Amino acid sequence: DADVTQTPRNRITKTGKRIMLECSQTKGHDRMYWYRQDPGLGLRLIYYSFDVKDINKGEISDGYSVSRQAQAKFSLSLESAIPNQTALYFCATSVRGRDGYTFGSGTRLTVV
Amino acid sequence: AQSVSQHNHHVILSEAASLELGCNYSYGGTVNLFWYVQYPGQHLQLLLKYFSGDPLVKGIKGFEAEFIKSKFSFNLRKPSVQWSDTAEYFCAVGSSNTGKLIFGQGTTLQVKP
Repeated sequence: DADVTQTPRNRITKTGKRIMLECSQTKGHDRMYWYRQDPGLGLRLIYYSFDVKDINKGEISDGYSVSRQAQAKFSLSLESAIPNQTALYFCATSVRGRDGYTFGSGTRLTVV
Repeated sequence: AQSVSQHNHHVILSEAASLELGCNYSYGGTVNLFWYVQYPGQHLQLLLKYFSGDPLVKGIKGFEAEFIKSKFSFNLRKPSVQWSDTAEYFCAVGSSNTGKLIFGQGTTLQVKP
């Protein structure tokens, strides 16, 4: 099994719908992150969490919310999806700053 | 403002050619530097990293990078590329404290057989 698992892998949803992307990890890492990837823009940080009670906004958090249900689970929600949220979403985990991230396989989200 | 800039957006090389991908960053304080690779349809994988010590770091698959503090650069190199190196490459800089990474825009490398 993968160390960092994201579900679903692909999703098409309609404008205005609420959608949740899920991430779970078996690494035992405290730090978890959500990024979105857009062509030509690289990866941009949406939210990050150091533990269940410590959740922080990233550079592009508007229109998103997160929930850290347990050390191993970190979910990203789009309360009312819009087309410009169409992107590839990655969850990542880390132990400490100098170790870098372990990434999940990504969720490709299309909002029509 | 903290930022990472990758100079080359799309690079096309023939097999056996040498590769150098540029990365410059703007970041206050102690930095950790990374190069990630994303093969088509896959997630990002760590190629190499630098946080202290020898500024020339070696990674997987024959890649290396040199940290030049005075130039705020962390360029990626490989002496001889292979067709299987076709991928997108991301430079990232991060904080030792928070672990947050800022990514560059990415460079798409296409290696022709």
